[in-house]
Amino acid sequence: GESVGLHLPTLSVQEGDNSIINCAYSNSASDYFIWYKQESGKGPQFIIDIRSNMDKRQGQRVTVLLNKTVKHLSLQIAATQPGDSAVYFCAEDLPNFGNEKLTFGTGTRLTIIP
Amino acid sequence: DTGVSQDPRHKITKRGQNVTFRCDPISEHNRLYWYRQTLGQGPEFLTYFQNEAQLEKSRLLSDRFSAERPKGSFSTLEIQRTEQGDSAMYLCASTSADTQYFGPGTRLTVL
Repeated sequence: GESVGLHLPTLSVQEGDNSIINCAYSNSASDYFIWYKQESGKGPQFIIDIRSNMDKRQGQRVTVLLNKTVKHLSLQIAATQPGDSAVYFCAEDLPNFGNEKLTFGTGTRLTIIP
Repeated sequence: DTGVSQDPRHKITKRGQNVTFRCDPISEHNRLYWYRQTLGQGPEFLTYFQNEAQLEKSRLLSDRFSAERPKGSFSTLEIQRTEQGDSAMYLCASTSADTQYFGPGTRLTVL
């Protein structure tokens, strides 16, 4: 079936550097994408989202890029901090008349090296 | 803290026992979702409520699983005759629009 996948399961970044986490999605009908951050023992925390009619959206220290041509999503975190260490999931949402059933990938573990 | 709460946070039970989890969503959210997450994986959709109506169930939700949202506010997820394969984190999320906000989850361990 359709699924969301991630290119790299782990990523280590020096504190203060920028990080990029990538995600490939396979369903071209998906129209809404979300990045979540999950720390150990906690539920996923919303970071940023983007709709399919956009190709870039910025938040505080985070930017999401969407390339619909190659069905690729990325999360850029600027000036990484130790608190950014977590597992990051992208999730896609198929339009289904209000049932926003998210499909998640397996996640990328980001480790910030002090 | 997203405003979604779940209880208990941890549950250890013996195989064959029944367990029930509770989720209290953000008060103005009319949609509530249950997901299951196993170690190293992303959350998987289980079921979904719009107000008190259960509108969709995943095939992951076997007959041993039942969920309710009787007054359109809090929800419960019950697992009967638990099996070791039920060990997972059970997550609840709520929304009134598109963005789903997750609770802290209930970690179930079946011995």
